Amino acid sequence: GESVGLHLPTLSVQEGDNSIINCAYSNSASDYFIWYKQESGKGPQFIIDIRSNMDKRQGQRVTVLLNKTVKHLSLQIAATQPGDSAVYFCAETPPGGSYIPTFGRGTSLIVHP
Amino acid sequence: ETGVTQSPTHLIKTRGQQVTLRCSSQSGHNTVSWYQQALGQGPQFIFQYYREEENGRGNFPPRFSGLQFPNYSSELNVNALELDDSALYLCASSFPGYNEQFFGPGTRLTVL
Repeated sequence: GESVGLHLPTLSVQEGDNSIINCAYSNSASDYFIWYKQESGKGPQFIIDIRSNMDKRQGQRVTVLLNKTVKHLSLQIAATQPGDSAVYFCAETPPGGSYIPTFGRGTSLIVHP
Repeated sequence: ETGVTQSPTHLIKTRGQQVTLRCSSQSGHNTVSWYQQALGQGPQFIFQYYREEENGRGNFPPRFSGLQFPNYSSELNVNALELDDSALYLCASSFPGYNEQFFGPGTRLTVL
């Protein structure tokens, strides 16, 4: 079946650096993508989303880039802080409006002070 | 406004038993989804309820069942527990037509 996956299971950065977390998706029909952050002992928390008719979307310190040609998604975190340490998941949803996401495995981001 | 809450926090069961997990949706949300998250994996969609009716189901066997109540709280029931059912079970609520799902902290189920 089709699935969402991540290239790097663990990413270690220094506080203040910019972080980039990558994700490959395989369902070319997916039209909505979400990044979630999951801290230890908590459920996933919505960070930012993007629709397939866009290639870039910016939030507060975060930017999501979508490359539909190669089915690639990335999350950029500017000036990474220790509080950003968590597991990050990308998720895709198919067209149809159900908004039921398919999650990838996740990348663990470790920020060293 | 209260967030999504789940109970219990942790649960230990033995193989073959039955379990019921509970979820209270965020205020105003009438859609609830349940996910299973195995260790080191992303959440996997089990099913979704909207206005007390099942509104979508993932690739899980019928021994996984659910209920949604008029106050939009929800239950996940799992019969004939297997060792592989050990996981974090997450509940997420949302308002129909809106993309963002709000997740609870989860229930950690261990099957021995």
